Amino acid sequence: QQQVKQSPQSLIVQKGGISIINCAYENTAFDYFPWYQQFPGKGPALLIAIRPDVSEKKEGRFTISFNKSAKQFSLHIMDSQPGDSATYFCAASKGGYGQNFVFGPGTRLSVLP
Amino acid sequence: GAVVSQHPSWVICKSGTSVKIECRSLDFQATTMFWYRQFPKQSLMLMATSNEGSKATYEQGVEKDKFLINHASLTLSTLTVTSAHPEDSSFYICSARDLGSPDEQFFGPGTRLTVL
Repeated sequence: QQQVKQSPQSLIVQKGGISIINCAYENTAFDYFPWYQQFPGKGPALLIAIRPDVSEKKEGRFTISFNKSAKQFSLHIMDSQPGDSATYFCAASKGGYGQNFVFGPGTRLSVLP
Repeated sequence: GAVVSQHPSWVICKSGTSVKIECRSLDFQATTMFWYRQFPKQSLMLMATSNEGSKATYEQGVEKDKFLINHASLTLSTLTVTSAHPEDSSFYICSARDLGSPDEQFFGPGTRLTVL
């Protein structure tokens, strides 16, 4: 129940295209869902996060879509750029101070110029 | 704001020696910090949750006597890998929670440990 599934494992997109990464969870107690971007040899950096009370959140080229009934959420990267090439992790948390994150296995995105 | 630093950024040591990694929250107070381990092309694996002024809580399978965690102040947590062996070689990442933003975790840049 603690597991967060993520797909695809790797993704290749042409410059200007849309990158879509999907995640699914089981634990209905989760109520905070962030996405992190990680470049090789660096720590993860928060991209965007959502709570279950909204179905979509957009920040610049990044959008999270959330389906509470299906227990799924996804990251959409519009107008993908070569600089977006990185590993993306979804995560889930019960929220509140002290709660740890459960991370998905990650998606390696390559955006071709 | 919300910057977390780690020191050193990389370290090479001989088998059997101990290595200390520091994690600092630079511009906020963090009563809770987390330590993760990440192998190449894999996800982050939580090792332990570190609470200021109290003993760390270790995840199942993580040896607390091997990975010593100290959280002596609101801005500093340390991870000491004792009697390091080659299989301990990994990327260690800490994160911290800001009291003002209880949901978010701010991650450090990571420390690459190589044990020869």
